[in-house]
Amino acid sequence: QQKVQQSPESLSVPEGGMASLNCTSSDRNFQYFWWYRQHSGEGPKALMSIFSDGDKKEGRFTAHLNKASLHVSLHIRDSQPSDSALYFCAARRGSALGRLHFGAGTQLIVIP
Amino acid sequence: GPKVLQIPSHQIIDMGQMVTLNCDPVSNHLYFYWYKQILGQQMEFLVNFYNGKVMEKSKLFKDQFSVERPDGSYFTLKIQPTALEDSAVYFCASSPGGADEQYFGPGTRLTVL
Repeated sequence: QQKVQQSPESLSVPEGGMASLNCTSSDRNFQYFWWYRQHSGEGPKALMSIFSDGDKKEGRFTAHLNKASLHVSLHIRDSQPSDSALYFCAARRGSALGRLHFGAGTQLIVIP
Repeated sequence: GPKVLQIPSHQIIDMGQMVTLNCDPVSNHLYFYWYKQILGQQMEFLVNFYNGKVMEKSKLFKDQFSVERPDGSYFTLKIQPTALEDSAVYFCASSPGGADEQYFGPGTRLTVL
């Protein structure tokens, strides 16, 4: 069973629209979460991390964490064609240095 | 920003041969990682490495796998002998500390025939 599950598998939004990506974990030991973005032919690049309940905003990107429900989301405001990529949620246990557990990813397509 | 390099980008070998994947991590980073991604599946942790030692490895890190970083040069993943199920994209990553953001390389696509 995958410990980090992402939805939807793919998402299309118009340029300028809002994209919302979801991530749920099944392990209550996961305390630290990251969102990574991967463009075709490249390695994943960290977008942002979130470790505390609530919202964290960085520019057009807002992450939300609810530890009680083990749910993390990423919202992209004013989506741009350059945001088209594969987005991964990754989780780490508090006791384990470094090891990240990745979800299967959400493919985001921003339509010009 | 900081970049992790991986050499080669593609490698095709026959089953049973040895292969070494090379990673040039970010220069001041102390933690190093290998992840495996089979086409269409999620990225899976293989191993992390710090201060010359393996810190943690997953079930995917078979006995045929080994890692090292001799004298601060490339961080390498060696597979000997290779098996068909080793075909995947292997990503190297590095981070300043064990709890910090991990910087990923572009990956090495390994095809075992």
